[in-house]
Amino acid sequence: AQSVAQPEDQVNVAEGNPLTVKCTYSVSGNPYLFWYVQYPNRGLQFLLKYITGDNLVKGSYGFEAEFNKSQTSFHLKKPSALVSDSALYFCAVRDNAGNNRKLIWGLGTSLAVNP
Amino acid sequence: KAGVTQTPRYLIKTRGQQVTLSCSPISGHRSVSWYQQTPGQGLQFLFEYFSETQRNKGNFPGRFSGRQFSNSRSEMNVSTLELGDSALYLCASTGTGLHEQYFGPGTRLTVT
Repeated sequence: AQSVAQPEDQVNVAEGNPLTVKCTYSVSGNPYLFWYVQYPNRGLQFLLKYITGDNLVKGSYGFEAEFNKSQTSFHLKKPSALVSDSALYFCAVRDNAGNNRKLIWGLGTSLAVNP
Repeated sequence: KAGVTQTPRYLIKTRGQQVTLSCSPISGHRSVSWYQQTPGQGLQFLFEYFSETQRNKGNFPGRFSGRQFSNSRSEMNVSTLELGDSALYLCASTGTGLHEQYFGPGTRLTVT
């Protein structure tokens, strides 16, 4: 069965430090992987995706993520965190096998960047 | 391009009532998906519509229904509201050739 795990409910980092938000997944075929961010009282905003190609993908607002097939992970990273990065982050996966187009979502990780 | 819009933004209803939520996708996007977001359950997929046809459905009771119009606008309806239906309902659209979804701001439904 497809699944996505975000093992940390909350991540705290100091402004200027690097940040990592973790995501692992389980699919039967090749994965399409996504990161979204949600600010309070807002919808989700697309950050970046991995479909194929380079394992390191770059997205909006200086975020990047690395696809690791052997570890079935797709961790979100940023070299230097900003207070404005504080938000809820969601990882999602879609199994490329068959015609299943459903996205499976993690439960989210709350990122707090402290000044 | 204008983003995904959802109306209304906030709703308060009483148990047993029904509610209709509306979503207008990004111009040119023909796929619309609906999600229910609650603090404990995260995002739960309700259904997806493409060209006025339901293409995928999540595991929600039949009280939850939707439709899509020829202009790609979509509505979802919840009948016989229960307290547990209180949630943020999100609509997302995607276009041909795109893999990512673009979300509206959501409708916050409170059932009392």
